[in-house]
Amino acid sequence: AQSVSQHNHHVILSEAASLELGCNYSYGGTVNLFWYVQYPGQHLQLLLKYFSGDPLVKGIKGFEAEFIKSKFSFNLRKPSVQWSDTAEYFCAVNSGGGADGLTFGKGTHLIIQP
Amino acid sequence: DVKVTQSSRYLVKRTGEKVFLECVQDMDHENMFWYRQDPGLGLRLIYFSYDVKMKEKGDIPEGYSVSREKKERFSLILESASTNQTSMYLCASRPEQGASSPLHFGNGTRLTVT
Repeated sequence: AQSVSQHNHHVILSEAASLELGCNYSYGGTVNLFWYVQYPGQHLQLLLKYFSGDPLVKGIKGFEAEFIKSKFSFNLRKPSVQWSDTAEYFCAVNSGGGADGLTFGKGTHLIIQP
Repeated sequence: DVKVTQSSRYLVKRTGEKVFLECVQDMDHENMFWYRQDPGLGLRLIYFSYDVKMKEKGDIPEGYSVSREKKERFSLILESASTNQTSMYLCASRPEQGASSPLHFGNGTRLTVT
C-alpha cells in the first residue's frame, strides 16, 4: 500500500520568506504526484501535479515542486511567500496505471505572519 | 468549471441514526470518491466508484456504505452513526482519463454525531 509522509505539521514564516514543504512517498512503481491547498473555509484546490516529463513542475500562485525519483520525494517550494498563502497543504500520490483514489499525507498547516 | 456539490455544509445527528450524505457533480465524471478529513490525519479514502452501480472500498470503509444509482450522484451512508464518525466528509470526482487527472472536491460536510 502507498503511504505519504509530510515532514512538517505546522510551519510559521514571515512574509517574503522562502518556503519548502517536504513530501516523501513509499510506492516504488510509476506514480502521479499532487499538491493540494485548502484555504480557510474553502474546498481543496489543486496547486500542481506531476505524472511524467520534466521533474520540475510549476503550479498556480508561484508554487513549484520537484520530483526526485531516487529520493521518493516531491517537495513543494515558493521563493517568497505572502500572507495569503496561509492555508493547509496536502501532498498526494496514486499509482500510474491505476484508477483508484489518491493517498494523502497528513497535511502541513502553514501560517504566514505579516 | 467543475462543480461538486455536497447537499449539506453542517449536519448534527444522534448516535444510532442512519445518515445520508449526498454529492452531485455536473461534469459527467465517471469516478467519484468519498474521503473523511480529520485534524492531524489528513484525508482518508472511505469508498470510491468507477461508474454507475460500481463501488470499491477505500482504506477505511467500516461503518459506511455507498450508493451510485446515477452517474452524477454518489451517496455516503452511515448505517448507524457513532461518535467516532464525527468528521469533515469530502466528496470528489474525476473524469475517466485515469490516475493522472486531478480530483475535484466539494466544499465538505461537517458531521457531528452526539
